[in-house]
Amino acid sequence: EPEVTQTPSHQVTQMGQEVILRCVPISNHLYFYWYRQILGQKVEFLVSFYNNEISEKSEIFDDQFSVERPDGSNFTLKIRSTKLEDSAMYFCASSEVGQGKVQYFGPGTRLTVT
Amino acid sequence: QQQVKQSPQSLIVQKGGISIINCAYENTAFDYFPWYQQFPGKGPALLIAIRPDVSEKKEGRFTISFNKSAKQFSLHIMDSQPGDSATYFCAASPGGNMLTFGGGTRLMVKP
Repeated sequence: EPEVTQTPSHQVTQMGQEVILRCVPISNHLYFYWYRQILGQKVEFLVSFYNNEISEKSEIFDDQFSVERPDGSNFTLKIRSTKLEDSAMYFCASSEVGQGKVQYFGPGTRLTVT
Repeated sequence: QQQVKQSPQSLIVQKGGISIINCAYENTAFDYFPWYQQFPGKGPALLIAIRPDVSEKKEGRFTISFNKSAKQFSLHIMDSQPGDSATYFCAASPGGNMLTFGGGTRLMVKP
């Protein structure tokens, strides 16, 4: 069964450093998303991406964040200057055209900012 | 208005029993209501979903009941099994594709 994959599974970085989280969505999906989950809290929407553009973004997704589809298979989330409060589990999700709300999540990347 | 409130926060059910998790929302623009199951260290997995034009949807042991007038929906897990022990999240989506998640319910099914 096709699935969303994410790398790395765990990333430790120092405050102020840039990090790039990588995702490979399901191959025939064209909608891509990033969500985050701070430990013990609910899953929060960050951004959606379609046709090489941001479709929607939340208040969390400020100028420190950016997304990119650098090639035909990868989808990345960049955090330019990490803060302690960016420590969370980051989930990538994808969905088919016409089924944008039916989202399939990857296993997540645990980001720890020290 | 964008919030989805989920209860209870935790639930313990005996094997074979019925697990019931409830969610409530305010935003009438929500038009898609999925439930996700999450095991420790894993991403949320889509379990079942409903749209507001139906009042109930059943898939195997999992049923969503939807009350549009009360702005509430619930997940029922029939014949609960220890393997169902996980955290369950309700979610809702407005006109776009953004999902707004509830706070989660940690379910433990005792053998």
